[in-house]
Formats: sequence, structure tokens, C-alpha cells
Amino acid sequence: DIQLTQSPSTLSASVGDRVTITCRASQSVSTWLAWYQQKPGQVPKLLIYKTSTLAGGVPSRFSGSGSGTELTLTISSLQSDDFATYYCQQYNNDPWTFGQGTKVEIK
Amino acid sequence: EVQLVESGGSLQQRGGSLRLSCAASGFTFASYAMSWVRQAPGRGLEWVSTISGPGSSTYYADSVKGRFTIFRDNSNNTLHLQMKSLRAEDTAIYYCAKLHISPDGSFESWGQGTLVTVSS
Repeated sequence: DIQLTQSPSTLSASVGDRVTITCRASQSVSTWLAWYQQKPGQVPKLLIYKTSTLAGGVPSRFSGSGSGTELTLTISSLQSDDFATYYCQQYNNDPWTFGQGTKVEIK
Repeated sequence: EVQLVESGGSLQQRGGSLRLSCAASGFTFASYAMSWVRQAPGRGLEWVSTISGPGSSTYYADSVKGRFTIFRDNSNNTLHLQMKSLRAEDTAIYYCAKLHISPDGSFESWGQGTLVTVSS
């Protein structure tokens, strides 16, 4: 199974900050990686698929990059609506797996 | 608009059985693979199972293989998850999710979830 490790696990940031979350895979996922945002009590929301393609309606301040075993999610200028937990997910190999999550908190 | 509405979650005894359902609307159901993803209380996301659009191919996480069965009724736009030999660690919110168009395996749309609680 491909293990995904997100870093950091928790991130404290201020509105306007540039934020980067890294997802490291135990083996290559090629570019078959997605990012999700989940707010407390809410359903996960797809942000990015195939490493860098924004899902419909997602603001352009979100971007994804990388390939292979190291992939990143960047928020160019953090907004108050972005405080949430973010998960990466690989779908290169069965079983599909998620990272453990990164909680973005208000500093 | 895509809508996914889960039902069937409840409190069950360890070793019991349960069937979850997901009613889909707003898209051509038979054209999309569908999945179940679960989230234990206060924990992260865990993929459970996926079924192809026609229903001919199914995939399971090791943690549920042999105990859970995913199936679909394309004539009624409904996805199901038959759960048997329930364990305490199956306690979670179960989300029904629509995949992107093949071959992309990301979860494009999610239902609100249904809570399964397994008591020991």
C-alpha cells in the first residue's frame, strides 16, 4: 500500500500568509493525487485533482504541484474561509489512500 | 446539480449486519464509478470501496474485504454497501462519493454521510 505523509500536521498562519502543505508518498503516485478541504462538521470538498487541476469553483489562490513522491498544495494568500483540515489522496494504486490531514489554524 | 443522499446508518451490535444506501441524482449515474469513504469520529478519511459504472468491477480496502460488499442499481440510481461482521472499528460516518470521469479517481462529489455506530 502507498503511505501518504502530510507535513506539517498542524499549521498556524495568519490571513494573507502563503501556506504550503507537503504530501510525501512511500512510492510514486505519478500525478494521480487529489487535495480535499474539510471544515468542522462539514463534508470534504475536492480542491485539486491530478496534482494541479482546480476543481470547479475553487479559488485560484489554491494550487498544486509536484509528481512522484513529493507533492504540494499551496494557498497563495490565506483567507479566513481557508481555516480547515486538508487531506491528500492518491489514486495511482489500489488501495487508494489518504494522508493523515493537515489542520490549518489561525495564528 | 449532483445530489448524493445516504441512508441506513444506525447503532448496531458487534457482529451485526447493516446495509447503507446512497440515492444519486443530477448526473448520468451509470456512467460514473462510485465509492464509499468513511471517517471515524475525530479521525481522518479512509477509502472503503469503489465500484465501476456498469458494476462489473469492485475494489475494497483490506480492512473490509470479505465483510463488506458494494453494489449498485443503475436502473434506480442507487449505490449500496452491505456490511457484515461489524466491528467496533467500523464506527464512522460513511460518505457516498462520485468519482471524476475515468480514469481520474478523485472524489468529485460527496454526500452528507450516514453514521454507523458499532457497540461492543
